[in-house]
Amino acid sequence: KQEVTQIPAALSVPEGENLVLNCSFTDSAIYNLQWFRQDPGKGLTSLLLIQSSQREQTSGRLNASLDKSSGRSTLYIAASQPGDSATYLCAGLFMYSGGGADGLTFGKGTHLIIQP
Amino acid sequence: GAGVSQSPRYKVAKRGQDVALRCDPISGHVSLFWYQQALGQGPEFLTYFQNEAQLDKSGLPSDRFFAERPEGSVSTLKIQRTQQEDSAVYLCASSLFRNLAKNIQYFGAGTRLSVL
Repeated sequence: KQEVTQIPAALSVPEGENLVLNCSFTDSAIYNLQWFRQDPGKGLTSLLLIQSSQREQTSGRLNASLDKSSGRSTLYIAASQPGDSATYLCAGLFMYSGGGADGLTFGKGTHLIIQP
Repeated sequence: GAGVSQSPRYKVAKRGQDVALRCDPISGHVSLFWYQQALGQGPEFLTYFQNEAQLDKSGLPSDRFFAERPEGSVSTLKIQRTQQEDSAVYLCASSLFRNLAKNIQYFGAGTRLSVL
């Protein structure tokens, strides 16, 4: 069974700092990896999707990388703001042996607090 | 609609009651997913539809859980004889493409189920 691990579980940094969230996975047979943001009591908002053939994706202050060989992805947040405070989840879409896939496999998330 | 809509937002059930949770996906989205998120955990995959066909139900925790999507649009997740361990947030997601590698899953706000 695939496993997705996120470290750290929680992170608190002052406003303006650049930071990196880490995600690791055990199975290299991956279709894509997605990073999500979840605010308390809310659903998940997709931030970035990296297909298995890609190395990174960028959106505004966010940059996500994917290294299938090492089973790692990182989410880089530049110039953090208090509004970035949320739980960040990474999730992989892994392949069956027959080439299909089911749903996303999620990590437990990193709870991020940006101090004003 | 503009996004994935789930109802009810909150449901309190007495142990042993049956519940039905509804998901309205984004119009035209082919794929629909159900996930269960326990407190402090990442979402866990339950089941997946492509149009009206349920392609994978390997994540359903017991035979008390049943999902349907009879017309390929709205989906209902039914839980029979609810137990306390069923208490969680149930998230629905939809995606446009049949090609899983390229699909971004868009999530609803979820239904928070509390079983007393």
